Amino acid sequence: NAGVMQNPRHLVRRRGQEARLRCSPMKGHSHVYWYRQLPEEGLKFMVYLQKENIIDESGMPKERFSAEFPKEGPSILRIQQVVRGDSAAYFCASSPSDSYEQYFGPGTRLTVT
Amino acid sequence: GDSVTQMEGPVTLSEEAFLTINCTYTATGYPSLFWYVQYPGEGLQLLLKATKADDKGSNKGFEATYRKETTSFHLEKGSVQVSDSAVYFCALSLFDFGNEKLTFGTGTRLTIIP
Repeated sequence: NAGVMQNPRHLVRRRGQEARLRCSPMKGHSHVYWYRQLPEEGLKFMVYLQKENIIDESGMPKERFSAEFPKEGPSILRIQQVVRGDSAAYFCASSPSDSYEQYFGPGTRLTVT
Repeated sequence: GDSVTQMEGPVTLSEEAFLTINCTYTATGYPSLFWYVQYPGEGLQLLLKATKADDKGSNKGFEATYRKETTSFHLEKGSVQVSDSAVYFCALSLFDFGNEKLTFGTGTRLTIIP
């Protein structure tokens, strides 16, 4: 049973470009969470999604960031017009509908130059 | 709001030493508590958990007891190994509908020297 998959593992973008981060949850999991880890810090919650619904986006910056989890395909975290402060590791986690235990992917390390 | 305070690192110990990493929490309800471990370049792995007061979580020789009276969930291991070198995160979740997010501490980097 494959774990949570994230791609790309490393992403380099210039200031002003767009970044798209993908997360495929574990098979049978319908809940997806995105977290951001700044250098030498803990993980901070960004958004919680179920299929086609955003449940909690209280940790998302108000501008430039968006997330979706369509009926088919992976969850996408989209960052428009990236700035240097967006450089971080972005982790996705998934859980099944009948359990709250979250399983983490390996993360996408975004570097903005 | 809910928060987790962890012992600041880095922590360096010799192999076979006793390990304690302190963790205390603040929460509005009755949280579940977790320890996650992150090895270099990897994502987080659940190490152990406890869902109610006085529960003890254990795994791979690590233990932590949910202490409601002191709002603590300290991680312990009797004899550490070099392979335990990693960053350890304490976390909580209230698991209310629409509020399933994990709130993490800042992490404690542990290095074990042979």
